[in-house]
Amino acid sequence: DIQMTQSPSTLSASVGDRVTITCRASQRITSWLAWYQQKPGKAPNLLIYKVSNLHTGVPIRFSGSGSGTEFTLTISSLQPEDFATYYCQYYNTYRTFGQGTKVEIK
Amino acid sequence: QVHLVQSGPEVKRPGASVKVSCKTSGYTFTTYYIHWVRQAPGQGLEWMGWINPNSGGTYYAQKFQGRVTMTRDTSISTAYMEVNRLRSDDMAIYYCASLNDYGDFDYWGQGTLVTVSS
Repeated sequence: DIQMTQSPSTLSASVGDRVTITCRASQRITSWLAWYQQKPGKAPNLLIYKVSNLHTGVPIRFSGSGSGTEFTLTISSLQPEDFATYYCQYYNTYRTFGQGTKVEIK
Repeated sequence: QVHLVQSGPEVKRPGASVKVSCKTSGYTFTTYYIHWVRQAPGQGLEWMGWINPNSGGTYYAQKFQGRVTMTRDTSISTAYMEVNRLRSDDMAIYYCASLNDYGDFDYWGQGTLVTVSS
């Protein structure tokens, strides 16, 4: 099965910063790559699907890109409500999550 | 609106079984697969498998094959996930999610905490 590895595991940033999270697949994948945001005590929320498609209602400061084995989630200008944990997910017949990236206040 | 409402928290002994329900509303239940994902305390998300509500077909992550059973009752638009032979490392929040293959239909339940303790 494909494994997904995120980096960094933790990221310290300030409001207004540009933030980039990377997700690497253990083998080349097609475009079935999603990004989720999760806040403590809550279910995950979909941000991006199919690498770069913004889910309904998600602010445009979030964007996704990549191909092959390397994918990125970018937050163009970090807002207070964006401090959370982010997960990438490969989806096909089965699904695999990355281990998560916690975005903390610097 | 689409809603997935899960059953309440459970406390079980090691070796017991637990069955979590996921009642859906706001869409045609048989259209999209129901996935189950769990999250141990302080840990990441772990995908467990899916059930096709239309056919009843299932697909389990290898780790859970033989110990997890996913079923559904189309008459009440509800999916179920049962874990047998519970261990302490099964203690987690279990989420159901209704997801499509393309990725743009994505709705989750509120989560069910399963505590395993002797």
